[in-house]
Amino acid sequence: EDQVTQSPEALRLQEGESSSLNCSYTVSGLRGLFWYRQDPGKGPEFLFTLYSAGEEKEKERLKATLTKKESFLHITAPKPEDSATYLCAVDGGSGGYQKVTFGTGTKLQVIP
Amino acid sequence: GAVVSQHPSWVICKSGTSVKIECRSLDFQATTMFWYRQFPKQSLMLMATSNEGSKATYEQGVEKDKFLINHASLTLSTLTVTSAHPEDSSFYICSAQRTGVIGEQYFGPGTRLTVT
Repeated sequence: EDQVTQSPEALRLQEGESSSLNCSYTVSGLRGLFWYRQDPGKGPEFLFTLYSAGEEKEKERLKATLTKKESFLHITAPKPEDSATYLCAVDGGSGGYQKVTFGTGTKLQVIP
Repeated sequence: GAVVSQHPSWVICKSGTSVKIECRSLDFQATTMFWYRQFPKQSLMLMATSNEGSKATYEQGVEKDKFLINHASLTLSTLTVTSAHPEDSSFYICSAQRTGVIGEQYFGPGTRLTVT
């Protein structure tokens, strides 16, 4: 069974204090790893897809990286508006069938 | 692009009644849509995968007769919670995948269901 573990569960940062969120995964065949941002009471917002080890993607203050066992979401000089829960998910499906497993998320709070 | 809407955003119903939730992809076609439940401080739990023109695929433990899914067009899927009970109260979120693309899902804003 595919598993996704995110750490830490919660992270509190001062504005401008860079840090990283971790997503460890176990999957028989990784077709894609996804990062989402979720604000309270809303649906997740897509951020990145990573497909193979060594791949990196950036968007504003966020940078996602991938190895064969884990992914990191690096946040550089965060701002209060970056406060949200960040979800990691993996697709372990095959053929035309997608099987996505989500982690429980890291709740990030950025303090002014 | 890739906007998904849900309606209603919240609903309160009495125990024993049925509630229908709509999920629409507004600016793209979605052969496949997904329905999730999310409990407070927990992650998303996949309930079922909805494919346009065919029966939905339900995850283990999800009652297909209770959670009826219809995906009648490439832009609309509906979830009907039949004979709702208080334990069905939850946050229901749908997502859609672009036709022909297996990858990222685009999520709706969610529907908060409260059964009294």
